[in-house]
Amino acid sequence: EAGVTQFPSHSVIEKGQTVTLRCDPISGHDNLYWYRRVMGKEIKFLLHFVKESKQDESGMPNNRFLAERTGGTYSTLKVQPAELEDSGVYFCASSPLSRVEGTQYFGPGTRLLVL
Amino acid sequence: RKEVEQDPGPFNVPEGATVAFNCTYSNSASQSFFWYRQDCRKEPKLLMSVYSSGNEDGRFTAQLNRASQYISLLIRDSKLSDSATYLCVVRFSGGYNKLIFGAGTRLAVHP
Repeated sequence: EAGVTQFPSHSVIEKGQTVTLRCDPISGHDNLYWYRRVMGKEIKFLLHFVKESKQDESGMPNNRFLAERTGGTYSTLKVQPAELEDSGVYFCASSPLSRVEGTQYFGPGTRLLVL
Repeated sequence: RKEVEQDPGPFNVPEGATVAFNCTYSNSASQSFFWYRQDCRKEPKLLMSVYSSGNEDGRFTAQLNRASQYISLLIRDSKLSDSATYLCVVRFSGGYNKLIFGAGTRLAVHP
């Protein structure tokens, strides 16, 4: 079974540019999460989709971040315009809808560097 | 105060040593508890869930003390392959599944 995949693996952009990250969850997983780790800090929750609906977006830093999950399959996270403090590793995770105890399967992450 | 606190380490131990990781969490409404392992430049992977009665998986033993809001992980007979960062992770109740991560404790096992 294929795991969670993320694209691109790395992205280097200049401040003010736009970047779009993509996540493909494990097939059949209705829960999809985005997390971020900035340098020297812990991994922090950004938002949670159940199918195509946003269940919890309390971790989104500001309105420069836009997440979508059209059709309830893959998800995109767009940062526009990017700022220096957006640099970090963006992880996507997924879990089945029935898995209530919280085990989540993480993708390899996208390393974003904003110059 | 951080929601989940861990000793940052690093812990440098010889092969065969026993090593203990400690973690405290601030929200008493926390419902589920986990230890994840993260290798350098890789994604976090679930090592084990932590149950109130304590649980063991081979060389790994996890304990939870809800009264003290304290979680521990014990690794016995450590191997070189145990070298990684160990993340204490908590999930709050209330119908949401978001995970709250500690900053992690780095372990280096040497020959």
